Amino acid sequence: EADIYQTPRYLVIGTGKKITLECSQTMGHDKMYWYQQDPGMELHLIHYSYGVNSTEKGDLSSESTVSRIRTEHFPLTLESARPSHTSQYLCASTPPFSGSTDTQYFGPGTRLTVL
Amino acid sequence: QKEVEQNSGPLSVPEGAIASLNCTYSDRGSQSFFWYRQYSGKSPELIMFIYSNGDKEDGRFTAQLNKASQYVSLLIRDSQPSDSATYLCAVNIETSGSRLTFGEGTQLTVNP
Repeated sequence: EADIYQTPRYLVIGTGKKITLECSQTMGHDKMYWYQQDPGMELHLIHYSYGVNSTEKGDLSSESTVSRIRTEHFPLTLESARPSHTSQYLCASTPPFSGSTDTQYFGPGTRLTVL
Repeated sequence: QKEVEQNSGPLSVPEGAIASLNCTYSDRGSQSFFWYRQYSGKSPELIMFIYSNGDKEDGRFTAQLNKASQYVSLLIRDSQPSDSATYLCAVNIETSGSRLTFGEGTQLTVNP
């Protein structure tokens, strides 16, 4: 089990605003991930990090950016929000030394609506 | 062909029945396999993982892995209405490092 926190849980914002979605975990997990999921649809990996100062783009092209300055913190930023960014954003992390399992534990998610 | 495919839903079973959820994967080098449950509007929660051929049981849940046939399944015994959710199969594909590739999910409804 892991304690992964995401804030805000819900966000309604106007087009063109800059937003940062927060994700943090206190378990010392080295690997962290951001997924985007539309209602009833599959998960899409948009960013991931294997440690401090390590970030990679995922399988789904995204206009967002991420940073990993501290192990416990993996924020996602949208410089200029658009209605097409309306979705649920899920953060996940994997404990270190997870061996062959690479189990991911998810946070509660942020539901973003861009008007 | 998708890397991870799940049997199309929705799947509906009566309360007390066995629900069978299937997943196939394309990369023969895949090492780890996961089942997550996701309630509507919530985030996925891990049910169990398996990485050895055969069965793994945890309470009412049994995961079955057959690497030769490249499929993994989840059986839910004595299904309860609270089991109604979308079940996601995830695979750690060898060439993807520690990333998981998720299937589209199978929606399960357990009818009282």
